[in-house]
Amino acid sequence: QTVVTQEPSLTVSPGGTVTLTCASNTGAVTSAYFPNWFQQKPGQAPRALIYTTTNKHSWTPARFSGSLVGGKAALTLSGVQPDDEAEYYCLLYYGGAWVFGGGTKLTVL
Amino acid sequence: QVQLVQSGAEVKNPGASVKVSCKASGYTFTDYYLHWVRQAPGQGLEWMGMINANTGGTNYAQNFQDRVIMTRDTSITTAYMELSRLTSDDTAVYYCAREFHGGYFDYWGQGTLVTVSS
Repeated sequence: QTVVTQEPSLTVSPGGTVTLTCASNTGAVTSAYFPNWFQQKPGQAPRALIYTTTNKHSWTPARFSGSLVGGKAALTLSGVQPDDEAEYYCLLYYGGAWVFGGGTKLTVL
Repeated sequence: QVQLVQSGAEVKNPGASVKVSCKASGYTFTDYYLHWVRQAPGQGLEWMGMINANTGGTNYAQNFQDRVIMTRDTSITTAYMELSRLTSDDTAVYYCAREFHGGYFDYWGQGTLVTVSS
């Protein structure tokens, strides 16, 4: 059973920096897992933020960045804004199948 | 502009089947994969499977292997997800999402609420 683990919740102050991580129970996450990150606000469909580890979509704000840190995929928000309060999900590839993390609820306070 | 427009909400009895559609526009349909993802009330996202819109080839999550079928009709640029033997645990919002080969996910449909209730 493949399990992808994210922090259940994080809190950050406006203007601050926060890093969300995405770990796999199969071992270190690498670029071969094609990590994707999505943001979801209540009542809305998910919105893609980052694809294949580090790449941003044209609509992704510059304050969002993706990376690999300590064997995990990571999403860093720098200069957090109140509008960034949302649920964030990572998605990893396992040779034909994809698995979502459980999501991180980010509170901006 | 790229759009994925899904069919409307459904209410089904336990044991029935549901078929959700995802109408694609604004891009070359056969250049992409379409994935299906569901979200139960108050829960996270769950990947169900995907279809190669060009070849019709599919990959399904193990949890759904025996009761999901994903198809597409290239003539009307529409993908379908049919889930059978529904139970109350299948009550969820079902989404389609587009992927370009190699893990490039971008656009999502608006979601379709499927309610399973007697």
